[in-house]
Amino acid sequence: QQPVQSPQAVILREGEDAVINCSSSKALYSVHWYRQKHGEAPVFLMILLKGGEQKGHEKISASFNEKKQQSSLYLTASQLSYSGTYFCGTRHGGATNKLIFGTGTLLAVQP
Amino acid sequence: NAGVTQTPKFQVLKTGQSMTLQCAQDMNHEYMSWYRQDPGMGLRLIHYSVGAGITDQGEVPNGYNVSRSTTEDFPLRLLSAAPSQTSVYFCASAPGSIFDEQYFGPGTRLTVT
Repeated sequence: QQPVQSPQAVILREGEDAVINCSSSKALYSVHWYRQKHGEAPVFLMILLKGGEQKGHEKISASFNEKKQQSSLYLTASQLSYSGTYFCGTRHGGATNKLIFGTGTLLAVQP
Repeated sequence: NAGVTQTPKFQVLKTGQSMTLQCAQDMNHEYMSWYRQDPGMGLRLIHYSVGAGITDQGEVPNGYNVSRSTTEDFPLRLLSAAPSQTSVYFCASAPGSIFDEQYFGPGTRLTVT
């Protein structure tokens, strides 16, 4: 089942902060975050695993609340380069190799 | 390393035609996957493979076939193209499993008329 992302879109000025949320109706094993710029392929940002382990960019922070079945991506002091569509992908069990993506959050950072 | 390559970049098909989208990676990655991306729908998993000779279905496998005879290649076959298969197709690979970072190819834009 596809995770739900919110907000669908957000517009920021450079230097402002944003939070992108990803929630699921099923128990989460891991959450994967990707960013896609217009006309390009998605690029990996971070993986958050059940139990607290994280893999990813040092400058990106995120949280994973297993009880609430949700994850949040924190973009602080935004730069123009942060613009793009952010996707969360969810995995619902340790044995599954399927990653199910949400519909994305469009982030536009303006000067 | 070239990373993940996809051919062709653009393709127009007529309804009922068949074709194969090519995907190759030179990173010796075990895990490979195919996604389609439609406006407002995000990325939807079509098929994936955890190693040569092993494939499995994703969310939207109908109308598509895959095979994985080598570690490097993971072609996606459209058996009888339909307008509903008009989309951008991305191939991705990961070193070991879905636990790892996926590297996406540049995509193939397919139009079925």
